[in-house]
Amino acid sequence: DSGVTQTPKHLITATGQRVTLRCSPRSGDLSVYWYQQSLDQGLQFLIQYYNGEERAKGNILERFSAQQFPDLHSELNLSSLELGDSALYFCASTRDTNTGELFFGEGSRLTVL
Amino acid sequence: GQSLEQPSEVTAVEGAIVQINCTYQTSGFYGLSWYQQHDGGAPTFLSYNGLDGLEETGRFSSFLSRSDSYGYLLLQELQMKDSASYFCAVRSAMKTSYDKVIFGPGTSLSVIP
Repeated sequence: DSGVTQTPKHLITATGQRVTLRCSPRSGDLSVYWYQQSLDQGLQFLIQYYNGEERAKGNILERFSAQQFPDLHSELNLSSLELGDSALYFCASTRDTNTGELFFGEGSRLTVL
Repeated sequence: GQSLEQPSEVTAVEGAIVQINCTYQTSGFYGLSWYQQHDGGAPTFLSYNGLDGLEETGRFSSFLSRSDSYGYLLLQELQMKDSASYFCAVRSAMKTSYDKVIFGPGTSLSVIP
């Protein structure tokens, strides 16, 4: 158990809909990262937050947005969903960027039908 | 931008040694990490190299040459449970943004009896 909690674990929805994925980082971790992993693909970096502020952006679509709240949990919002958005969405947290060690949650598996 | 290359697949025999290479191109390089991911599971941290040289952690070792933009993960005394995907990840930062962790495409390791 990494200490990072993601909900929901599974989500099935239709094209055009909007969903929100939630991440609670490890206790004390200020940094939260979001990654997308499509079937048999690598981990695509989406966005990073540190203590409530956006720190770095990757290949995140304009239909996607995220935020980190004062209690450090983070939410990833996906809107106008398309079939291609079906993927595993991982959240990771860290407090020690010196080692680059990220602790990953179990992921949220999104299926868009 | 950043790019990382890894072999897509590697097969090795139980008890043997296998090396998974990673080459990268990035600006503002800080370090190279390695992660293991079993099917459908969360990536887990294996090792980190911030400086040139070899880091050893049990059966796993990782090497970095910053001048060659190259690193590798060495797995010794392979076990069946080592069958998984292995990702290298670069931690980098540009002057105008904070650091991000970008993952390579992953190497699928199959350990055979």
